[in-house]
Parts: sequence; C-alpha cells; structure tokens
Amino acid sequence: GENVEQHPSTLSVQEGDSAVIKCTYSDSASNYFPWYKQELGKRPQLIIDIRSNVGEKKDQRIAVTLNKTAKHFSLHITETQPEDSAVYFCAGRNNQGGKLIFGQGTELSVKP
Amino acid sequence: NAGVTQTPKFRILKIGQSMTLQCTQDMNHNYMYWYRQDPGMGLKLIYYSVGAGITDKGEVPNGYNVSRSTTEDFPLRLELAAPSQTSVYFCASSSPSGRLNEQYFGPGTRLTVT
Repeated sequence: GENVEQHPSTLSVQEGDSAVIKCTYSDSASNYFPWYKQELGKRPQLIIDIRSNVGEKKDQRIAVTLNKTAKHFSLHITETQPEDSAVYFCAGRNNQGGKLIFGQGTELSVKP
Repeated sequence: NAGVTQTPKFRILKIGQSMTLQCTQDMNHNYMYWYRQDPGMGLKLIYYSVGAGITDKGEVPNGYNVSRSTTEDFPLRLELAAPSQTSVYFCASSSPSGRLNEQYFGPGTRLTVT
C-alpha cells in the first residue's frame, strides 16, 4: 500500500521568510496529493492540492510542486506570517475509495 | 449546510467500556472516513466507506467496527476500550464527483480511556 513520509517534523522561520515542507510517496499509481493545515485544536483543512498530470500549482503565497519520477512533492509558503503557524500534513491518494494516506505532519512556527 | 458533524465532542471511558462515535454529513457525499490522531502525530485511517452498505478497513482497524446503513451516517463503534485508543477521532467525507475528492473533516471527538 501507499506510504507517505514527511520532513521536517518541525520548522521555525522568521516572519517574511519562506518555508518548504517535503514529502515522498511509495505508490507510483497515486495521482492526487493534497496539503492540509491544522491549527491547534481544530480540524484539518485543505489549503492546496495537485494532480499527477501537473508539475506545479500556485495559490497566492502557497505553491506545491510534484516530481513524479522521484515520487516527491513539496509545499512552499512565501512571505510567511504568524497566522501561518500550524501543523501541515501532506497526503497521497490511493485509488481505492478516494482514501488518503497522510504524512506525519510538520509543525511550522513563524516568529514575528 | 452543517457539513460534517460529530458527537460527542469529548468523552472519558473506563477500560473495557464500549461506545459509539457518531458522524453525520449533509452534503450527500458517498465516501466517508474515520481517522484517529494521536498527540503530535498524523492521521491514521481506521475505516472507510464508498457508499451505504459498503465498508472497508484502513490502516488501523483493530478494536473498531463501523456500519453504513445510510448515506448520511457513519458511526464508529469501540468495543472493550483500551488506553491505546486514547486519541482524537476525526470523521471525513468526500464525493467521487466533487472537487478532486477533497475530504471535509468534522470537528473531532477527543476520547480518553483510563
């Protein structure tokens, strides 16, 4: 089955700097890779996603890149703000029932 | 739309007790999922369902059971609760014809087994 590894587990940046979180996946048949943001005590919420037929996708300050050959994808946050502080999860979709396999999470701290 | 709702929000169980975590969605989604999230950890899939009457195991199904008698409801049953089941439980739903299978999460149930 699918396995998703996420790094780093914690990341601390200064406000205004960029943050990059990386994930690798094992199942070459996976075709959908979402990123979720989870604030403390809240539910995970989708912030951006990418399909396997696209190499890069951008939405304002966040972007995701996908390298199918290497089976890894990354989340890029530019001009970070304190409200970006949260835990971020990557995931890969197994084609069975749309189920997602999540990475272990990255706790991002943006210091003002 | 209320989206995905879960009850209860919090629960404390004694070892060996049983309980059912309720999950309801009003978005007419076919797919529903149960995850557990241990402190500082990621989300692990317990069970999922692609439609009424159909359920399947996820990564960590032991100690749990589910049923899916209607499209809206997907309850999770814990039999003989153990301390290892202390966790936050999230229910989620998605639509195969919706936006790229985006999963919408409920607010979670925080369960403590002592």
